Amino acid sequence: AQSVTQPDIHITVSEGASLELRCNYSYGATPYLFWYVQSPGQGLQLLLKYFSGDTLVQGIKGFEAEFKRSQSSFNLRKPSVHWSDAAEYFCAVGAHSGNTPLVFGKGTRLSVIA
Amino acid sequence: ETGVTQSPTHLIKTRGQQVTLRCSSQSGHNTVSWYQQALGQGPQFIFQYYREEENGRGNFPPRFSGLQFPNYSSELNVNALELDDSALYLCASSLAGGGGTGELFFGEGSRLTVL
Repeated sequence: AQSVTQPDIHITVSEGASLELRCNYSYGATPYLFWYVQSPGQGLQLLLKYFSGDTLVQGIKGFEAEFKRSQSSFNLRKPSVHWSDAAEYFCAVGAHSGNTPLVFGKGTRLSVIA
Repeated sequence: ETGVTQSPTHLIKTRGQQVTLRCSSQSGHNTVSWYQQALGQGPQFIFQYYREEENGRGNFPPRFSGLQFPNYSSELNVNALELDDSALYLCASSLAGGGGTGELFFGEGSRLTVL
């Protein structure tokens, strides 16, 4: 069965510092991979997605992620964090079939300190 | 903003009651999915509707049911509410199947509290 693991429940970084959020997935076929962000009391906003092609994908708000098939990972990075990036981040995996739902990780809460 | 709207935004019910949550999908989207997000957890798939028919269901009991209308809007109904049903319920619309052929566009959710 497919699954997503986000090993870090909570991460705190200083404003201006770099960020990497980890995501490992288990999937029986070629996955579609997503990162979503959720601010308190809000729905989910898509940051970026990987379907195929270049394994380094760029997203909104200066985020990027790299798909590494050999490590079953899709880690999210940002070179310089802003205080407004404080939120919950979810990694998700889906299938190419079109009718398979997304499976989400439990999320990583990001806190940003001055 | 995604164009997916959900109502109500917040509601409180008591155990045993029934609740209906509503979702208007983004223009042009024909698929609606519902997810339950318990506190401190990631969203969990409840079911998906494509052209008014359920075409996928997660590990939720039959008291969770839904509808999709000709305009692709959708309802989630939960009967015999239990305390563990307290959660944020997220609706997502997409074109065709979502995870496979396109991204999901989420609404801001309906927060249900069961007392």
